[in-house]
Amino acid sequence: KNQVEQSPQSLIILEGKNCTLQCNYTVSPFSNLRWYKQDTGRGPVSLTIMTFSENTKSNGRYTATLDADTKQSSLHITASQLSDSASYICVVSARNTGTASKLTFGTGTRLQVTL
Amino acid sequence: DTEVTQTPKHLVMGMTNKKSLKCEQHMGHRAMYWYKQKAKKPPELMFVYSYEKLSINESVPSRFSPECPNSSLLNLHLHALQPEDSALYLCASSLPLLAGGPLYNEQFFGPGTRLTVL
Repeated sequence: KNQVEQSPQSLIILEGKNCTLQCNYTVSPFSNLRWYKQDTGRGPVSLTIMTFSENTKSNGRYTATLDADTKQSSLHITASQLSDSASYICVVSARNTGTASKLTFGTGTRLQVTL
Repeated sequence: DTEVTQTPKHLVMGMTNKKSLKCEQHMGHRAMYWYKQKAKKPPELMFVYSYEKLSINESVPSRFSPECPNSSLLNLHLHALQPEDSALYLCASSLPLLAGGPLYNEQFFGPGTRLTVL
């Protein structure tokens, strides 16, 4: 069964500090891994997408890494801001023969940035 | 236009009501998705339409009825819902995966409709 696990479940950090979120997956055959940011009551917004050939991708203060051998990914947030407070969801897509992708979602890490 | 819009933002309905959720995109995407998300849980896929045809139905109860009248619109018709159906309903769209094309298609999510069933 395809699964995506994230840790920690929740995290509180001070504004300006860095943090790293973890994602382990057992999705096969692997196609790509995405990190989404979701504010409470809003739709997820894509931060990064990586295929098996990519091992790092950045989007501003967000840097994602992927180790396809160990099936692990991380999302590093630099110089956190209050607006970074949200849920961060790791999502993995399996290769399929259809025209629409089916995603396996992690349970998310709830990040709270405080003063 | 690079966004997915959903209406209404909030909906409160009784168990005997009939209502519809609407989703619209003008990005030329030919794959559209309905997800259900309970509080503090990840989104759960309900339906996928590809080229206006239903391609995935994740064993969703028949009280939820999707409709894709054209390539820009996706509806979710609701009838005789239960209180446990209260959730955030998310719509998403993406370009279709095509042979020889990109390895992935990014899904763009709408802001969701917060549904409460009394």
